[in-house]
Amino acid sequence: EPEVTQTPSHQVTQMGQEVILRCVPISNHLYFYWYRQILGQKVEFLVSFYNNEISEKSEIFDDQFSVERPDGSNFTLKIRSTKLEDSAMYFCASSEGQVPYEQYFGPGTRLTVT
Amino acid sequence: EDQVTQSPEALRLQEGESSSLNCSYTVSGLRGLFWYRQDPGKGPEFLFTLYSAGEEKEKERLKATLTKKESFLHITAPKPEDSATYLCAVPKVKAAGNKLTFGGGTRVLVKP
Repeated sequence: EPEVTQTPSHQVTQMGQEVILRCVPISNHLYFYWYRQILGQKVEFLVSFYNNEISEKSEIFDDQFSVERPDGSNFTLKIRSTKLEDSAMYFCASSEGQVPYEQYFGPGTRLTVT
Repeated sequence: EDQVTQSPEALRLQEGESSSLNCSYTVSGLRGLFWYRQDPGKGPEFLFTLYSAGEEKEKERLKATLTKKESFLHITAPKPEDSATYLCAVPKVKAAGNKLTFGGGTRVLVKP
């Protein structure tokens, strides 16, 4: 069964460092997303991506964040200068279509900023 | 702004003790409602999509229903492996993409 994969599963970084989180969405999916979940809090939307451009971003997704689909399979989230408050689980998701298609989530990357 | 509220926050059940989880929502123009299961340290796992009031979906011991203001996830005769956090989410439809707004989840613990 096709699934979304993410690497690494856990990333530890120092404040101010750049990190890149990687995702391989399901192969025939067209819409891609990043969400995050701070420990004990709700899953919250960061950004959606379609046709090689951002279609929507949340207030959290400021200039320190960027996304890219460098090739036909990978989808990345970059945080340029990490802050302590960026520590969270980051989930990639993809969907086959827009509405009313469900989004399938990856296992997540736990980002710890020290 | 869309709001999704789940109750209770936590639920402890004995194996075989059926119960229901609630997801109430405030959205402008519901375009569907999703239920997910999340195990500790894992990503949300898709369970159901409900599109319109009156609709029901079933999967094993789980049954999801939808009204105009809320959705219920009924767990019938649960087993310990049903222990997880159950999340509901509503999509906000934009020109290209669906932003999901999640509720806070209900943590279910089923004891043998």
